[in-house]
Order: sequence, then structure tokens, then C-alpha cells
Amino acid sequence: EPEVTQTPSHQVTQMGQEVILRCVPISNHLYFYWYRQILGQKVEFLVSFYNNEISEKSEIFDDQFSVERPDGSNFTLKIRSTKLEDSAMYFCASSAVIYSNQPQHFGDGTRLSIL
Amino acid sequence: AQSVTQLGSHVSVSEGALVLLRCNYSSSVPPYLFWYVQYPNQGLQLLLKYTSAATLVKGINGFEAEFKKSETSFHLTKPSAHMSDAAEYFCAVSDGQGAQKLVFGQGTRLTINP
Repeated sequence: EPEVTQTPSHQVTQMGQEVILRCVPISNHLYFYWYRQILGQKVEFLVSFYNNEISEKSEIFDDQFSVERPDGSNFTLKIRSTKLEDSAMYFCASSAVIYSNQPQHFGDGTRLSIL
Repeated sequence: AQSVTQLGSHVSVSEGALVLLRCNYSSSVPPYLFWYVQYPNQGLQLLLKYTSAATLVKGINGFEAEFKKSETSFHLTKPSAHMSDAAEYFCAVSDGQGAQKLVFGQGTRLTINP
């Protein structure tokens, strides 16, 4: 069964450094998402992406964050200057169509640790 | 704004016993509701979804959930727990607008006792 893959599984970065989290969505999917889960807290929506542009973003997704689909397969989340509070599990998801009854498929996540 | 509340951050049942994980939602429009499961060191896997068709929804691994509009609930049940059901379970809601952002509950960790 097709799946969403994320790399790396664990990323350790010094505060203030840039980090790029990578995702390969399911190949025929058109909608892409990033969520994050701070340890012990809810899974929170960050951003959705369709047709090479952001569809929706949350308050969390400030100017330090950006997303890109650099080629036909990868979907990346960049944090420009990391803060301690960016430490979290980051999940990528994709879905085939826009209708909300179509489920999102999630990757296994990247654990980001900011030192 | 939508929200989801999962009652009980930790539920413990004996193997073979009924599993009941509670989820209540708040939505100003007819909701789409989902249950996801997360096994250790893995991503979120869809268990089942409610999309305004049948109110009783059957999912994978013997789980089912019933949508009750009057109670704004979407509780997850399984008649007989198995050791392999031990995981974290998340209820989520989407409002059908835009690019179907999911709003998640806090999660419930299910422990199965032998």
C-alpha cells in the first residue's frame, strides 16, 4: 500500500540554525499538509498546500516557516531560525482530493530536537 | 471554530474486555469525523471516518464508532480488546471548508492488561 515517507526520523539542531524536514507524499495525491505535536500536547495543524501554493496556514506558521514542493515528489518544511519551542514531532500528510470525507494519510513523523 | 475533546487521557482495560474511547466535538457546520491510531514510533493511521452517511461506522481491526448529533459525540468502541490494540488514539474533526484542515483531540492512550 502506498505510504507517506518522511526523512529524517530524528533531527537534532542548534537553536538559531535552519532546518529542512522532508516528505514524499503518496504519488497521486494533490493536497499536502504539515502538522506538529509538541510532547504531551495535541497534534496541531500548521499548513496545507495545493497547486504549488499555501491553501491555509495556522497562527503557528509564522514567517520563520516555509513550505515548498521543489520537484514532482518532495514536499519540504523549512524552519529558518529554530527556537527551543520548535522541538516537536512533525507529521506530513497527503490526500487525494479536496473533499473532507477523503482521509489524510500520515507519515511516521520527524522528531525535531532543538538544543 | 471547531474543537474536539477526548475524555480520559489514559484508558486501561483487560484483554477481552470492551474498549470505549470517548470523543465529543464542537462544530458550527455538519462535521466530518475521524479516528486515527498511533502505534509507538509510527505515524497516524486512519481507523475509521464519518462522512454523513451511516451513523454507525465500522473501521479496521474490529473498531467502530457511532455518530450522535444530539450528544455531539463520536465514541470509539471495540467489543473485545486485544493486546495489539495498545496504542494512542486520536479523534479529529474537519469542517469541509478549504483544504480540510484536521482539528485533533488530545489523544487517549489505551493500555491492555493481560
